[in-house]
Amino acid sequence: GEDVEQSLFLSVREGDSSVINCTYTDSSSTYLYWYKQEPGAGLQLLTYIFSNMDMKQDQRLTVLLNKKDKHLSLRIADTQTGDSAIYFCAVVHFGSARQLTFGSGTQLTVLP
Amino acid sequence: SQTIHQWPATLVQPVGSPLSLECTVEGTSNPNLYWYRQAAGRGLQLLFYSVGIGQISSEVPQNLSASRPQDRQFILSSKKLLLSDSGFYLCAWSPGSDAGGYTFGSGTRLTVV
Repeated sequence: GEDVEQSLFLSVREGDSSVINCTYTDSSSTYLYWYKQEPGAGLQLLTYIFSNMDMKQDQRLTVLLNKKDKHLSLRIADTQTGDSAIYFCAVVHFGSARQLTFGSGTQLTVLP
Repeated sequence: SQTIHQWPATLVQPVGSPLSLECTVEGTSNPNLYWYRQAAGRGLQLLFYSVGIGQISSEVPQNLSASRPQDRQFILSSKKLLLSDSGFYLCAWSPGSDAGGYTFGSGTRLTVV
């Protein structure tokens, strides 16, 4: 089955850029997502990218997809303290019910 | 617009007691519905999913069951809770065919004591 991996922790200074990385194993993955989870809350969809795209930009967020290496990244420009949260990478390929496979999440800590 | 409601937000239950968590979706029809559990270590585990009324698929055999009595209602149940059932339970829905992501409820924090 699909395996999705992320590093567990990332610390950055306020105002710097953050880059959160994710690797996956199934090359037939069709849609790739980034979710944000703040403490005690549900998951909030930040952005997603189709597998036929290399890059997607949405305000401070840039998603890069390297299909050859099966590598996905999320760049947050001008990181703010409100960006501190856990960020989940998730992938889906059309199967019986489009099930999402999640990475373990990266805890982003923004230091003042 | 579509919204998803999940309740209760927190729950403390004794070992051996029953459980019923409810999730409802508004503003869409025939959604795919999901129950996930997030253990303390952070990872998200898919427990059940449903593509239609009465259609339930179980991903992990365990002490829980799910039901979908109506198109936009998804219920997670247990007859007798175990300590290991503690965790953060998340309901989610997705459209049947669109790629626009899964929408999650706000979650239920279950503590079994």
